[in-house]
Amino acid sequence: EVHLVESGGALVQPGRSLRLSCAASGFTFDDYAMHWVRQVPGQGLEWVSGISWNAVPLRYADSVKGRFTISRDNAKNSLYLQMNRLGPEDTAIYYCAKDVNINGDYYFDYFGQGTLVTVSS
Amino acid sequence: DIHLTQSPTSLSASVGDRVTITCQASQDVAINLNWYQQKPGKAPKLLIFDSSNLQAGVPSRFSGSGSGTHFSFTISSLQPADTATYYCQQYDNLPPTFGGGTKVEIK
Repeated sequence: EVHLVESGGALVQPGRSLRLSCAASGFTFDDYAMHWVRQVPGQGLEWVSGISWNAVPLRYADSVKGRFTISRDNAKNSLYLQMNRLGPEDTAIYYCAKDVNINGDYYFDYFGQGTLVTVSS
Repeated sequence: DIHLTQSPTSLSASVGDRVTITCQASQDVAINLNWYQQKPGKAPKLLIFDSSNLQAGVPSRFSGSGSGTHFSFTISSLQPADTATYYCQQYDNLPPTFGGGTKVEIK
C-alpha cells in the first residue's frame, strides 16, 4: 500500500525559510516522478513543483519560482521542498503527491495527508 | 495557464440521485483531464483519469466524459459516502491546473 507522510510544517515568520520532507513507502520510489501540491485551508488546489525519477526538477509554479527548490533522495525514499523567503501567500497545507509516470505526466494517483505551513508574524 | 471553470460550485442532492458536475477549460486539453474527490480534512483521491477512465478500486457509480474544452463528471446514484468536494485537473498544458471545486452534500 502506498504511503506518503509529510513533515516539517510549522508557523514561521515572513522572510524565513522552511524545509518540508515526504517519506514514501509501498512502491518503488525511483520509478516515479513526484510533486508538491498545496491548498490554502478551505480553498482549492495549486500545483507547486515536480521532480523526475532521477532528481531533475521538472518545473515550478510561477508563484514559487526562485524561492522554492524541490529535491529527492532515492536512497532514502524521500522528497523535499526547500522554501525560502516565505510570505503570507505561502500559507497552505502542502501535499506530497506521486506521479503516475517516471518522467512526469503531471497527474497524481496518491497524495499524503499534508503538512500545514503558516507564515505569519 | 489553462483556467478550469467548474459548475456548480456546490450542490445538495438526495441519496440515490444522479449528480453531474461540469468542467470547462479555457483552451483545448484533449482528454488530458482528471477528477479528484476530497473529503473534509483528507487528501485528494484520484477517481477518473484521461477524462473517462475509472481509477482502480473506485466504485462504478462514478464516471466521466468529454474532450477538448467541455467535460462532465457524474455520480449515477449518490451515496452518503460521496459527500466531498470534487476537483477537475488538466495536465495537457503546463503548469497543471485545477478547477475551483464543487462541494457535494446530501440533502
